Amino acid sequence: KAGVTQTPRYLIKTRGQQVTLSCSPISGHRSVSWYQQTPGQGLQFLFEYFSETQRNKGNFPGRFSGRQFSNSRSEMNVSTLELGDSALYLCASSLAKGLQRETYEQYFGPGTRLTVT
Amino acid sequence: GIQVEQSPPDLILQEGANSTLRCNFSDSVNNLQWFHQNPWGQLINLFYIPSGTKQNGRLSATTVATERYSLLYISSSQTTDSGVYFCAAWGGAGSYQLTFGKGTKLSVIP
Repeated sequence: KAGVTQTPRYLIKTRGQQVTLSCSPISGHRSVSWYQQTPGQGLQFLFEYFSETQRNKGNFPGRFSGRQFSNSRSEMNVSTLELGDSALYLCASSLAKGLQRETYEQYFGPGTRLTVT
Repeated sequence: GIQVEQSPPDLILQEGANSTLRCNFSDSVNNLQWFHQNPWGQLINLFYIPSGTKQNGRLSATTVATERYSLLYISSSQTTDSGVYFCAAWGGAGSYQLTFGKGTKLSVIP
């Protein structure tokens, strides 16, 4: 079974531009989460989607947004890029069933490394 | 929210040595995972271990949920074990997120 895939793998953008990152979960996984990793802040949760619904959002400005499609693929968008948005963006998927108290093993993709100049 | 602390932050080992990495968490958890981040940034799943002990080759992990800690054991370390090891805990019912520790950077020298 194929793992989580993310595209593109590397991206260079200029301040003020916007960017869209894509994530395809493992087949059959309906939950997709996004995380940002920077040297200073470590790994931080951005948001989680299940069946096209955002169930939780981390402490990030509104410039960070996401969505999930009916085939469970997800995209995240960052508008008006800032230098501090340079980071590794990781996507994870799991076999969540949509129950409130459920927890499932998370599987991560290879990440998209975004550089903002 | 839940807090996750890992120790030590850095560890240098001679090839063949054994090591123990520790993860403390601030509240009861029902999901605890250990990852190894490779040099390209991908998080590789090592263990999903909310409680108890699991083994996979030279690696094993133990989580004592009642005392809020987990341990990752690496035996007979190899240079390929180098990298950063993260533990991550589920942030509680309804949070749908993993909270990560800051990681332990392991360097195995020949």
